[in-house]
Amino acid sequence: GAVVSQHPSRVICKSGTSVKIECRSLDFQATTMFWYRQFPKKSLMLMATSNEGSKATYEQGVEKDKFLINHASLTLSTLTVTSAHPEDSSFYICSASKEFSSGKTYEQYFGPGTRLTVT
Amino acid sequence: EDQVTQSPEALRLQEGESSSLNCSYTVSGLRGLFWYRQDPGKGPEFLFTLYSAGEEKEKERLKATLTKKESFLHITAPKPEDSATYLCAVSTSGTYKYIFGTGTRLKVLA
Repeated sequence: GAVVSQHPSRVICKSGTSVKIECRSLDFQATTMFWYRQFPKKSLMLMATSNEGSKATYEQGVEKDKFLINHASLTLSTLTVTSAHPEDSSFYICSASKEFSSGKTYEQYFGPGTRLTVT
Repeated sequence: EDQVTQSPEALRLQEGESSSLNCSYTVSGLRGLFWYRQDPGKGPEFLFTLYSAGEEKEKERLKATLTKKESFLHITAPKPEDSATYLCAVSTSGTYKYIFGTGTRLKVLA
């Protein structure tokens, strides 16, 4: 169990257009979903935390108007990169949080990632 | 300030040469420590959760341990397929967010 999917896996778009990335928890309901960005050979950088039915909480320095997050249900969150520019090219990864069986903590399960290239 | 540090940054091992990866943390109110494996171009794959000092978890050639200051990921008799980046993360009281270390890039040579 604890499978998370992301779609698309790769996308190429022109500068100025918008791109939507979907993140789904396939076999569990996620309390919280997270969106990360990862640069080559670097660790994951948290962009925002998303809870179903409420506004996302963005990390400092992340433009909320550029990276729109919608958390429509307990199994689906979307990230829309608006008016994309070449500097937005990156590897975007989502995760879904599941409560540990003992209730002591929450584990994050990650999607396979989406490679965005803006030309 | 909460902080997670992983060492070494990179590690090359011969097949069968056992070693350990380190994850040191300075946080207030540790809720859990997590190990992940990440292959190039893929999302992190969950390996272990540890949440109290003295706890140990094992999976195949991997064994994770936890003290009050650090965690070790021991790799016994590694194989080339164990080559990956290993990430350590912690969560603290009051938040579901993780604090990630910078990872250890492991290369196992045949």
